[in-house]
Amino acid sequence: GAGVSQSPSNKVTEKGKDVELRCDPISGHTALYWYRQSLGQGLEFLIYFQGNSAPDKSGLPSDRFSAERTGGSVSTLTIQRTQQEDSAVYLCASSRSGRETQYFGPGTRLLVL
Amino acid sequence: GQNIDQPTEMTATEGAIVQINCTYQTSGFNGLFWYQQHAGEAPTFLSYNVLDGLEEKGRFSSFLSRSKGYSYLLLKELQMKDSASYLCAVRGTSGTYKYIFGTGTRLKVLA
Repeated sequence: GAGVSQSPSNKVTEKGKDVELRCDPISGHTALYWYRQSLGQGLEFLIYFQGNSAPDKSGLPSDRFSAERTGGSVSTLTIQRTQQEDSAVYLCASSRSGRETQYFGPGTRLLVL
Repeated sequence: GQNIDQPTEMTATEGAIVQINCTYQTSGFNGLFWYQQHAGEAPTFLSYNVLDGLEEKGRFSSFLSRSKGYSYLLLKELQMKDSASYLCAVRGTSGTYKYIFGTGTRLKVLA
């Protein structure tokens, strides 16, 4: 596609439920990143994919968070047993390779009640 | 530790020039990026510096001094549409090329 797309754009869920967030990177981009942006905070790195593998998962805040990428394209970020502190905007970015500029998707706004 | 500092808010007048500063302390350095983020939207790429000096792109310029751990974004001929948050990010050298972001500077342009 022309740009990075993410779905859903907004998600409201109840505490304790699982959620899946999807990212479609720019076609041909091998590097994919997930970030989290809480209100009034900077972007917080979560995980990096090169192809289908994730050489850096250091930013995942707990074992409730996991992510996968298939076919070197679409990625899914899963949050299990959501907590209110998980409420944030989850942003996905892709780049042609790790060395090049990252381009961001519009984000998924997650609200955990 | 890794730290990126930028002012929280700035206000300027339409037509004026504004400089947004960013200082960083990171364990590695492989480039500094500036992004613009309008409220409720994704960050969009503005500029990239990896060598010392000034990079100019239209109304926007970005400067880098690696020895001082310092960068600034210069916006000229401010327009109302420039009201946004400006994010400074440093790319690391750990092999994952992840960005470390500052909290952003919220710029308000007044008529």
